Amino acid sequence: EAGVTQFPSHSVIEKGQTVTLRCDPISGHDNLYWYRRVMGKEIKFLLHFVKESKQDESGMPNNRFLAERTGGTYSTLKVQPAELEDSGVYFCASSDRGLGYGYTFGSGTRLTVV
Amino acid sequence: LAKTTQPISMDSYEGQEVNITCSHNNIATNDYITWYQQFPSQGPRFIIQGYKTKVTNEVASLFIPADRKSSTLSLPRVSLSDTAVYYCLLDPSGAGSYQLTFGKGTKLSVIP
Repeated sequence: EAGVTQFPSHSVIEKGQTVTLRCDPISGHDNLYWYRRVMGKEIKFLLHFVKESKQDESGMPNNRFLAERTGGTYSTLKVQPAELEDSGVYFCASSDRGLGYGYTFGSGTRLTVV
Repeated sequence: LAKTTQPISMDSYEGQEVNITCSHNNIATNDYITWYQQFPSQGPRFIIQGYKTKVTNEVASLFIPADRKSSTLSLPRVSLSDTAVYYCLLDPSGAGSYQLTFGKGTKLSVIP
């Protein structure tokens, strides 16, 4: 079974530019989550999709962040315009909510805004 | 406010059993106790989850006392490849919430 795939693995952009991160969850997983770790901080929840619907986006930091999941398959997270404080590692996870199996995380996208 | 408290770091020699204890005094009725492992440059990896008593899988054991205010992750006979950060989390999905709250975790260093 393929795991959660994130692309790109690294991205370096200038302040003010736009970046789009992509996540391909495990096939058949209706639940998809975005988390991030900014420098020196803990991993924080951003949002949760159930299929194509946003179930909880309470962790999104501001309106410069836009997440989509068209068709309930892969998801994108766009940052526009990027700011220096957006630098960090963005993780995507998926689950089918079977208790006892947890979430499967991807390896993350390391975003550096310069 | 941290939901869980665990040691910042631990050292162990290869072949020993490692026990990492986590405190969660304010655990809710619907919370499941969950442990993740994270290696550098990778995402967290699910290890084990339990509600009460003892849970064992091929990787670890999880001990939870009756009051559920703490839990202990037990790793049998650790090897160098077990060097990682271990996170103790409360999974609130039993109450309809799906946000995991990560703390700083415990950095386990396995020494040859």
